[in-house]
Amino acid sequence: DAGVIQSPRHEVTEMGQEVTLRCKPISGHDYLFWYRQTMMRGLELLIYFNNNVPIDDSGMPEDRFSAKMPNASFSTLKIQPSEPRDSAVYFCASSLSGAGTYEQYFGPGTRLTVT
Amino acid sequence: AQSVTQLDSHVSVSEGTPVLLRCNYSSSYSPSLFWYVQHPNKGLQLLLKYTSAATLVKGINGFEAEFKKSETSFHLTKPSAHMSDAAEYFCVVRLEYGNKLVFGAGTILRVKS
Repeated sequence: DAGVIQSPRHEVTEMGQEVTLRCKPISGHDYLFWYRQTMMRGLELLIYFNNNVPIDDSGMPEDRFSAKMPNASFSTLKIQPSEPRDSAVYFCASSLSGAGTYEQYFGPGTRLTVT
Repeated sequence: AQSVTQLDSHVSVSEGTPVLLRCNYSSSYSPSLFWYVQHPNKGLQLLLKYTSAATLVKGINGFEAEFKKSETSFHLTKPSAHMSDAAEYFCVVRLEYGNKLVFGAGTILRVKS
């Protein structure tokens, strides 16, 4: 399996612009997670989906952030408008329920820089 | 609520010496525990997992961890450090319900030649 795929790997944008991050989970996995990692706050869970349905979005910082999962093999995280404090590494992860082990498999991340 | 505490933010060892990264957990039930590793500018990789089977868990790259319920600990060890082990290590616990994981603050391991 190719693992979790994220694109782009790096994104540099100006404040106020819309940013869209993309994720393809491991085939067959039914959970998908979006995380943000910064030096100050560490690794934070933003939102997660089960069978394409958002289950918990309590970690989404504000209304500028939105996430969708239109099908089992694709998810997006959108920031509109972007701000410098959104600069971080954004990770997508997926897992398989029913396996009984609950481990998550992480993508390589998207490094976002907002100037 | 379930949580983990990594007792050291930084650990420095010499190549060839043992590694010990400490983690204590808080849980009202028998938890699922994990160790993940993150090399610089990389994603997180699962090292090993404990899910109520054997208390001594072996992972990749020679790492292992022992679940000690009496001490509420899940320390990560390796007999002999290699330069390639230099990375950040996260102790993780699964919340009792659902598939959410709670990550520790991380321990940065430095390996000196």
